[in-house]
Amino acid sequence: GAGVSQSPSNKVTEKGKDVELRCDPISGHTALYWYRQSLGQGLEFLIYFQGNSAPDKSGLPSDRFSAERTGGSVSTLTIQRTQQEDSAVYLCASSFGGRVSGNTIYFGEGSWLTVV
Amino acid sequence: KQEVTQIPAALSVPEGENLVLNCSFTDSAIYNLQWFRQDPGKGLTSLLLIQSSQREQTSGRLNASLDKSSGRSTLYIAASQPGDSATYLCAVRRASSASKIIFGSGTRLSIRP
Repeated sequence: GAGVSQSPSNKVTEKGKDVELRCDPISGHTALYWYRQSLGQGLEFLIYFQGNSAPDKSGLPSDRFSAERTGGSVSTLTIQRTQQEDSAVYLCASSFGGRVSGNTIYFGEGSWLTVV
Repeated sequence: KQEVTQIPAALSVPEGENLVLNCSFTDSAIYNLQWFRQDPGKGLTSLLLIQSSQREQTSGRLNASLDKSSGRSTLYIAASQPGDSATYLCAVRRASSASKIIFGSGTRLSIRP
């Protein structure tokens, strides 16, 4: 597609339920990032995928969070047993990958998650 | 540990003024630095990317500079317009880990007509 696509754009869920957030990166981009932005806060790194390499999961806040990327394209971020503190906008970004200094990253519009 | 700071957190100026937004980072070993714009309720839009070997980049009324030795970058906006109102974030890609891009908390800019 023309840009990074995320779905759903908005999600309201009850505490304790599981949610799945989807990201479809720009075609040809091998690197994919997930960030979280709480209200009025900066961006918190969650996870990074690059091609077939093992993902960098160092930013995932707890074992309730997981992500996968199938076929090197679409990625799903799963939050199990959601808590109110999980309420935030979850932003996905993609870029041409590798340790190339000139790679601009492009963001989707985000998935706004509210846990009630 | 790389930390990225943006001061001030908020800025309000009258239309037409030239202005400078500041970004500082603690570890000078970076691959690149990127400036983004974020409108309310929206994702981030890339404005300028400066590679570690570069000193500045320009796009239209925007000019971004990079001084790695002092750990600073500035975003200069010329002849500001109300449409420039948004939150501006800088982000640093660390040399030690190409995966992690560390963001500042942003400067919320308001241009008064």
